[in-house]
Amino acid sequence: EAGVTQSPTHLIKTRGQQATLRCSPISGHTSVYWYQQALGLGLQFLLWYDEGEERNRGNFPPRFSGRQFPNYSSELNVNALELEDSALYLCASSLGEDQPQHFGDGTRLSIL
Amino acid sequence: AQKVTQAQTEISVVEKEDVTLDCVYETRDTTYYLFWYKQPPSGELVFLIRRNSFDEQNEISGRYSWNFQKSTSSFNFTITASQVVDSAVYFCALSEGGSQGNLIFGKGTKLSVKP
Repeated sequence: EAGVTQSPTHLIKTRGQQATLRCSPISGHTSVYWYQQALGLGLQFLLWYDEGEERNRGNFPPRFSGRQFPNYSSELNVNALELEDSALYLCASSLGEDQPQHFGDGTRLSIL
Repeated sequence: AQKVTQAQTEISVVEKEDVTLDCVYETRDTTYYLFWYKQPPSGELVFLIRRNSFDEQNEISGRYSWNFQKSTSSFNFTITASQVVDSAVYFCALSEGGSQGNLIFGKGTKLSVKP
């Protein structure tokens, strides 16, 4: 069984640009979660999608947004990139709320 | 407010030693879930265990064991006879029941097992 896959592995952008990160969940999982792991800040919850709808979002500005497609894959979009957006972005999927979340390898976003 | 505290930032042991990673949590909910994840140097988070708030039974899986005590709001993780491959950052996490979806992570404990 394939795990959670994320692309790209690395992404380099400059300030003010926009970034799109992609995630494919484990087959059969309908919930997708996004987390940011920035140096010194730990793992912080960004967004939760289930059945195509945004169910919850963390304490991040609106320039962090995303969507979930009918096949349950998901995109995370970050607009107007700032230096502090440099981080490892992790996607996870689960069978539903309160079920174990299984993580992908992450996308490392570097802002120059 | 919910919170997870892992007071040990880094631990270093020699192979075959036993090591316990501490986790203390805060929540007002009566229904919640606790998790442990392992993050090896390669970066991916690996799920280790989930416990719900109504199940205080300790769990053992091979060299790993978990001690859940509601009275002290702790969910500690012990590795017996540690191995070099156990070197990683270990995260404890909390999820409150009630459809919030997100995991609240502790800051992690970096475990280094030396040969």
